[in-house]
Amino acid sequence: GAGVSQSPSNKVTEKGKDVELRCDPISGHTALYWYRQSLGQGLEFLIYFQGNSAPDKSGLPSDRFSAERTGGSVSTLTIQRTQQEDSAVYLCASSPIEGPYEQYFGPGTRLTVT
Amino acid sequence: AQSVTQLDSHVSVSEGTPVLLRCNYSSSYSPSLFWYVQHPNKGLQLLLKYTSAATLVKGINGFEAEFKKSETSFHLTKPSAHMSDAAEYFCVVRTYGQNFVFGPGTRLSVLP
Repeated sequence: GAGVSQSPSNKVTEKGKDVELRCDPISGHTALYWYRQSLGQGLEFLIYFQGNSAPDKSGLPSDRFSAERTGGSVSTLTIQRTQQEDSAVYLCASSPIEGPYEQYFGPGTRLTVT
Repeated sequence: AQSVTQLDSHVSVSEGTPVLLRCNYSSSYSPSLFWYVQHPNKGLQLLLKYTSAATLVKGINGFEAEFKKSETSFHLTKPSAHMSDAAEYFCVVRTYGQNFVFGPGTRLSVLP
């Protein structure tokens, strides 16, 4: 079946612009996660959705970052007034409602802020 | 607090020799454990998972991992490395609910 998809695959933007990153989870997966991976680094947790609500937003680095999920499916991560330190790969994952809730990852969006 | 330690940031092996990537965790709960692989410029792919059934878990591409509660370890092994195994490997623990903790990763190099 179809896996997690993310768009765009690459995004180059100027400092100060807003960007939107999209994630389409596996159909039927109730949980959705956003992570950030900077060059050569591990994964940094950003936010987690259960259905359309976000019980854990603790990883969002600043108020310039926001995310929403609609219809229990597609999610959008928005970064306002981008800064060069926002340059990274943004990964999305989804997991099913049954345990052990293993995560399935998308290919990521590479964001470059110039 | 829960944590995951991957003892080696970089492991280098020759093709055809065994692979051992080490992972130790701390958790107050009975954990679920996972290993993921990330090839360059790709997303993470699930290799295998431990869910309190058999302690020896077989995954894809010939990888295995053994859960040892007394040692709080979940080391990843493969009998014979292949060039295509060169990648970054992440050990992950899920403790409760949707709380996942990722290790820092181990980069595996395979020499011809």
